[in-house]
Formats: sequence, C-alpha cells, structure tokens
Amino acid sequence: GAGVSQSPSNKVTEKGKDVELRCDPISGHTALYWYRQSLGQGLEFLIYFQGNSAPDKSGLPSDRFSAERTGGSVSTLTIQRTQQEDSAVYLCASSLGQGRINYGYTFGSGTRLTVV
Amino acid sequence: GDSVTQMEGPVTLSEEAFLTINCTYTATGYPSLFWYVQYPGEGLQLLLKATKADDKGSNKGFEATYRKETTSFHLEKGSVQVSDSAVYFCALSDPGGSYIPTFGRGTSLIVHP
Repeated sequence: GAGVSQSPSNKVTEKGKDVELRCDPISGHTALYWYRQSLGQGLEFLIYFQGNSAPDKSGLPSDRFSAERTGGSVSTLTIQRTQQEDSAVYLCASSLGQGRINYGYTFGSGTRLTVV
Repeated sequence: GDSVTQMEGPVTLSEEAFLTINCTYTATGYPSLFWYVQYPGEGLQLLLKATKADDKGSNKGFEATYRKETTSFHLEKGSVQVSDSAVYFCALSDPGGSYIPTFGRGTSLIVHP
C-alpha cells in the first residue's frame, strides 16, 4: 500500500481480555518494527522483524506480549490478559531493511489501546 | 550501546521566534541521523535526515547539520509557526551496531500566536 496501515485505530478493552493489533507495512518493505508510546513518554522498542523472522524480541515487556509476521507482510501484535499499564499507543514502522537504512522508516498512525 | 539525548521540553515559543532543539548521540559506527515529527493524534513522520558527516538535512524550513566532531544533530528553524506545534524526535540508525533505530525521548514544541 501507499503507507503503513494499522488497525484498529482505537481499542478499548477490559482488563484481562486479549487484544490483537494489526500492522500492514508498505509493500516491499522487509523490515518491520513495533514500538509503544505511553502518555508523555518516548518510544519504547518492542520487536523487530526482518522478513518473517524476529531476530530481536528483547523489547517485549513480558510473556503476555507476542508478535508474528506472515508472508513477509502483515504483522500482528497480541497482548494476552491485558493490564491497565498496557494502555498506550502502539506504533508500527516499516523500512526497506538492512542495508537500506538511509531511507528512514515509515510509521503508521498507531493504535491507541485503553485498558479499563 | 547506541543512544540519543534530546533537550527536555516543553519548548514554548511565540510565533516567528527562532527554534533550536538540541540532539546529541552515541554510536559505535557511522550512523544515519533523522528528525521525526509527531503532530497531535498522529504517527511519526520523517522530517529530515542526514547520512554522513557535514550533511545538512532540510525540509519545511527546518534544518539540521550532522556534526561528527560534536556528535550532534541539532534541529533549527528561523521562524516558527503555530502549526509547528508538535513533538520532535531525534533518531539514529547505526550499521555498526544494531539496525534497530534508536530514538530520543522527544521534545514537545508549543508555539503561541
């Protein structure tokens, strides 16, 4: 697509429920990143995909968080048994991948998750 | 490891004032440097970039020069507008380290009429 698309744009969920956040990167972008932005905070790195593999999962805050990417395209971030501290904006970005870093990264508009 | 340090905000200016947002970095290799802007309720947008020492990135009246000797990439604009009110993020991508971009904490800019 023309840009990075994230859905839903807003999600309100009850504490303890599972949620799935979707990211559809720019066609041809092999690298995909998930970040979390809490109110008044900077960007917290969560996970990075190169193709379908995730060489770096170091940012996932707990085992309730997981992500997958299929077909080198769409990625899903899943949060199980949501907690109130999971409330944040979840941002996805894509790029042409290793060796192409000078092109920068294109971000989606984010999913605002509110856990009540 | 790589790191980016930005001046803390918020930065509050009157319209047409001169803007500087400081950014310094630490990297193991020769990074590319970026400024991103986030308008209220939106995702981050690439504002400008520089890929090697002494390069100047520019866009929409904003400029930043890659200074290797001072490891800095300060953002400047000669005359800010109310519409420039946003959060600005300095970032680097370091081929000598991780390919994962490193972002600063962001600096909020508020421009009053």
